Amino acid sequence: NAGVTQTPKFRVLKTGQSMTLLCAQDMNHEYMYWYRQDPGMGLRLIHYSVGEGTTAKGEVPDGYNVSRLKKQNFLLGLESAAPSQTSVYFCASSYSFNDGTLPTNTGELFFGEGSRLTVL
Amino acid sequence: AQSVTQLGSHVSVSEGALVLLRCNYSSSVPPYLFWYVQYPNQGLQLLLKYTSAATLVKGINGFEAEFKKSETSFHLTKPSAHMSDAAEYFCAVSGESSYKLIFGSGTRLLVRP
Repeated sequence: NAGVTQTPKFRVLKTGQSMTLLCAQDMNHEYMYWYRQDPGMGLRLIHYSVGEGTTAKGEVPDGYNVSRLKKQNFLLGLESAAPSQTSVYFCASSYSFNDGTLPTNTGELFFGEGSRLTVL
Repeated sequence: AQSVTQLGSHVSVSEGALVLLRCNYSSSVPPYLFWYVQYPNQGLQLLLKYTSAATLVKGINGFEAEFKKSETSFHLTKPSAHMSDAAEYFCAVSGESSYKLIFGSGTRLLVRP
């Protein structure tokens, strides 16, 4: 049972290069997220998706793009990498429930192991 | 808008001592509150969550947290620390019908022998 898988786990880029991080989940979750983790700042939400074909901006979306063409995959792209994007990136997924009023995120996120990106 | 403040970026306790990690939240809607743990070089995993049921929530590994609306707090406790509890702990807040979790800056727990 793989859960949430991120590739690659490590990458070094030069300023201005582009790259894509891939996140795949095998739990049939509706929601998927990309966070970045920096020392002393916790996790900050970059982009998220509430279903196939939909994406939305989080707290720190600038410099990143995302796509969710298939329910199980959520891609994070950097078109022109900058040193400020050096970070550890985490993908997460979660399921929702609907008690008859509004769909609710249970809040239990399942995380991948992270992708460490260094931009020189 | 929602936010979380974790008091103390580092907490050090002796093995067998009480663990207390502090979390205060701000939310314009009834909050859902969570504690996650991150071991070195791993992703986060859920410790426990509060979703408007019992105010005292028990989680894995002997941890528990109490929701106090009047104090807007959700502190994490464990009666007796174990060496294996050394990790970083994150408090997070969400709200009903919200798709997003907002995380605090984290507290690193050090356990001394």
